[in-house]
Order: sequence, then C-alpha cells, then structure tokens
Amino acid sequence: GQQVMQIPQYQHVQEGEDFTTYCNSSTTLSNIQWYKQRPGGHPVFLIQLVKSGEVKKQKRLTFQFGEAKKNSSLHITATQTTDVGTYFCALGRAGTASKLTFGTGTRLQVTL
Amino acid sequence: DAGVIQSPRHEVTEMGQEVTLRCKPISGHDYLFWYRQTMMRGLELLIYFNNNVPIDDSGMPEDRFSAKMPNASFSTLKIQPSEPRDSAVYFCASRPGQGRYEQYFGPGTRLTVT
Repeated sequence: GQQVMQIPQYQHVQEGEDFTTYCNSSTTLSNIQWYKQRPGGHPVFLIQLVKSGEVKKQKRLTFQFGEAKKNSSLHITATQTTDVGTYFCALGRAGTASKLTFGTGTRLQVTL
Repeated sequence: DAGVIQSPRHEVTEMGQEVTLRCKPISGHDYLFWYRQTMMRGLELLIYFNNNVPIDDSGMPEDRFSAKMPNASFSTLKIQPSEPRDSAVYFCASRPGQGRYEQYFGPGTRLTVT
C-alpha cells in the first residue's frame, strides 16, 4: 500500500531542545491522528485533529492541522528522555474515515 | 479496563506451518483492526471489522491470510502456510465507534517464521 512520508525519519536531540515532525498528504484529509510508539511497545493514541488550521496542545506537545487539511505537524518543546519513541501520523480520508493510513514515523532519540 | 489482549506474544514457527493469532478487543468497541509492522513496510492495515463484519480486507497480502471475528469479543488472524517473509509484529486494535475515531492497540504478537 501507499506509504505516507514523515520528515525527518530520525532525530537525535539533547534533552531540553525542541523537536518537530511533519506529515504530508497529497490529498485532502478528513482527519489526522498522532500516535507514539515506545521502543518495543505498541502505538498509543495521542490526539485527533479534524478542523482546518486546528491547533491542539497537550502539555509540551503542540499539534497543528494545515489550512488545506493536507499536512500536519507535531512539536515538542523542551524534550525529555521520556519523549523517546517513534511518532506516527495516521491519515483518515473522506469516505474511509475508519481506515487509517499510517505514516513512516519519526524516531526521536533524546540524550542527557 | 484490561485493554486489547493479544496472544501469543511471541510465536516462532517453521515455514509451511499454520499460525493463528488471537485478539480480544476492548469491551463495547465496535471496530477491530489487524495491522502488520515491519521495518521495510512500516505499519500496514490488513483488515478491519465493524460489528463483527469484515469491511475492508484489501490489505490482506494473499490467500494465505484469513481473518475471522465470530463474536464481539474475539478475532483471529490465520496464516496458512506461513513463509519467512511473514515475519513481523502483528497488532490488533479496537475503536469505540459512536463518533470516536481513536484506536487502541494491543501489545502485538511478534511472529518469526524460519
């Protein structure tokens, strides 16, 4: 199946630095979800974005949905070692909202 | 709530053998999904069910793969015969429905086919 590219594929930061991952679609989306997977673990739901231009915050995490509903970003302010893992976007398209297409993921490594 | 339960957690089998993976979704959830995760192909949707009915199986690789959901609390994914390229982590996930779209993943089954 078609893969959705996320950029970057991998990022290594020092604790306290910021981190951003981007997800892009060639088609307009009905919604986008973000998941986090710790090493050796399973994907865990973080958030869903539905509206054009929507911005949601969860503590140090900021999620944004593009105005055209074709792209999204996840920004982490002042990373901590507990942020280590792979962050996936998951795209829901109109008419098939139940069926998510997962992005390739961005692996975040945080060191002291 | 116990979350999504999968068994076994690890499975090692020889090529040609039948493999059956099991999943118990969260009680009350209307949707169940089977995914496969590999380094090369990422996280792929294989099939999903709504109220025990298969809705989309377009991600099932080939006829060697089959999935069933005989009731709201149990689903199986069967591979017969298994091949080394089937080695992956298989996740089951469930979703509440009723306007809620977030998915809850189980711990996964790591399958190794030698």
